[in-house]
Amino acid sequence: NAGVTQTPKFQVLKTGQSMTLQCAQDMNHEYMSWYRQDPGMGLRLIHYSVGAGITDQGEVPNGYNVSRSTTEDFPLRLLSAAPSQTSVYFCASSPGGRTGKPQHFGDGTRLSIL
Amino acid sequence: QQQVKQSPQSLIVQKGGISIINCAYENTAFDYFPWYQQFPGKGPALLIAIRPDVSEKKEGRFTISFNKSAKQFSLHIMDSQPGDSATYFCAARGGGGKLIFGQGTELSVKP
Repeated sequence: NAGVTQTPKFQVLKTGQSMTLQCAQDMNHEYMSWYRQDPGMGLRLIHYSVGAGITDQGEVPNGYNVSRSTTEDFPLRLLSAAPSQTSVYFCASSPGGRTGKPQHFGDGTRLSIL
Repeated sequence: QQQVKQSPQSLIVQKGGISIINCAYENTAFDYFPWYQQFPGKGPALLIAIRPDVSEKKEGRFTISFNKSAKQFSLHIMDSQPGDSATYFCAARGGGGKLIFGQGTELSVKP
């Protein structure tokens, strides 16, 4: 049981490039989300999904796109990378609803934009 | 707009001491308050959580105290150990199951 798997673990991009951060979970969780972690700011929600085909914006969605075509996968796309998007990105999943079940986090993607 | 405010930003405690981290929230619709522990290079992992109808929850050396009227909750780590050195995040769950996190506290337990 792998849990939440994020790839790549590290990435360096140039300003203006695009890329996709991958996230996959094998727990059949309905709810998936993307966060970015910056020093002194905690984790901020970028986008989330309550099920396949359903996505919504979080606190800081600008510059990012998501889609949820399957229960397992929830990729995050950077459309045109900017230095302000240098961060550590975490994907999380949970059974969804008000079950009280915790969110399971991946180990993150460390992204640097030059 | 920071809906969950966490303090202190960093904390140094001697081995065997008590570590206390505080959080305050604004939205009375939050219905679940978890604490996460994060080690370097890893994702956050759930440590302990509480619902607002309970004033205290204890799991081993970790205790959450919850004050609904003051909209505050805190994490107490008793008999702190060097292995507890990590970053701790409080969070609150709102509509759609979204978690709003505090800014984080970097705890260092000195031997």
